[in-house]
Amino acid sequence: GAVVSQHPSWVICKSGTSVKIECRSLDFQATTMFWYRQFPKQSLMLMATSNEGSKATYEQGVEKDKFLINHASLTLSTLTVTSAHPEDSSFYICSARVTASYEQYFGPGTRLTVT
Amino acid sequence: AQSVAQPEDQVNVAEGNPLTVKCTYSVSGNPYLFWYVQYPNRGLQFLLKYITGDNLVKGSYGFEAEFNKSQTSFHLKKPSALVSDSALYFCAVRDVKSGGYNKLIFGAGTRLAVHP
Repeated sequence: GAVVSQHPSWVICKSGTSVKIECRSLDFQATTMFWYRQFPKQSLMLMATSNEGSKATYEQGVEKDKFLINHASLTLSTLTVTSAHPEDSSFYICSARVTASYEQYFGPGTRLTVT
Repeated sequence: AQSVAQPEDQVNVAEGNPLTVKCTYSVSGNPYLFWYVQYPNRGLQFLLKYITGDNLVKGSYGFEAEFNKSQTSFHLKKPSALVSDSALYFCAVRDVKSGGYNKLIFGAGTRLAVHP
């Protein structure tokens, strides 16, 4: 139980284009999902908290117009990296919190490379 | 300020020997503590958590962790390491300021290398 999927697992895009990453909770409903960014050999940096039916809450320093988050249902959140640049290349990981629980379950991650 | 410290970048242990991955925390009030493991190019997998109750918490894959309030520590342990345990381990604490969102604050991670 508590399986979270991400799609795609890896993507290469050209500078200036936009990329959408999907995060799905497969066997549970998640009112809250989180989006993280992880640089090589570093810890996870929380980018934003995604709430079903409401606007996402972004961490300080994260550009909300660049990283668009939509949480349209209790099982799906999307992150769109708009006008991507090489510095946006990273490993993006989502997690979903089981309602009324404290632990988060993580997706397998999406490696984004912007050329 | 709330924080999690994992003082060791890497821990090396021989297969069959016991292992310990250290974690200390700083948070106001009662801490909610977690351990996650990450394999290469994968997301994090939940290992165990401490919310309340017995200080010794047992989790997945034979791992356990001991909550020590006086030392503000939550070290991860396993009696007998396997080569397949080699991975990146993260300690995390619930951000008490995040309210119902239950955000997590992660340590920097410790790479565990188990040698045959």
